[in-house]
Amino acid sequence: DVKVTQSSRYLVKRTGEKVFLECVQDMDHENMFWYRQDPGLGLRLIYFSYDVKMKEKGDIPEGYSVSREKKERFSLILESASTNQTSMYLCASKIYVAGGSGYTFGSGTRLTVV
Amino acid sequence: GDSVTQMEGPVTLSEEAFLTINCTYTATGYPSLFWYVQYPGEGLQLLLKATKADDKGSNKGFEATYRKETTSFHLEKGSVQVSDSAVYFCALSDPQTGANNLFFGTGTRLTVIP
Repeated sequence: DVKVTQSSRYLVKRTGEKVFLECVQDMDHENMFWYRQDPGLGLRLIYFSYDVKMKEKGDIPEGYSVSREKKERFSLILESASTNQTSMYLCASKIYVAGGSGYTFGSGTRLTVV
Repeated sequence: GDSVTQMEGPVTLSEEAFLTINCTYTATGYPSLFWYVQYPGEGLQLLLKATKADDKGSNKGFEATYRKETTSFHLEKGSVQVSDSAVYFCALSDPQTGANNLFFGTGTRLTVIP
């Protein structure tokens, strides 16, 4: 069974800390994504990557950066965490399937910034 | 731009009741449409999809029909169970704006009581 694994289910960090959220997929997918999920706002795309060392900004990239040094790993970095970055973060990977349905999501990391 | 509007929740139903969750969309091209489900503490799972007008997606007793004339993709189930309690997201993937992104609705929380 295909898997996307996020390293932490829950994180609590202090304002101003540098935070790393890790995501690993075992499916050899080219495309990987980071979303944040907030009540009433649904999922919003932060960044995505379509290949190693390649990245593209999504809809809300401000305050975030990403790293894709290996195909299987896609890291989301909060350079200086702020309270408005308290959220649920979801990683996904995708292989091209006609109709665009080839997304697999991780279980999410709930980050609280205090 | 592309967008998805779905019925606000929360929705509370008794077991065996009929479920409808409304979803309408705006897209520049000919999108594929999806329903994802998020069970408590988990990531998103694809529930069903439709890739062209008049297609009907179905899975686990849920159905949704791609209606181009009304730009809708409403989710229905004839008889809900307690195990259907989850958050449901309508989404679209539009090849005209880049198949590397899904546009999500805000999510509808369904609670089914015995």
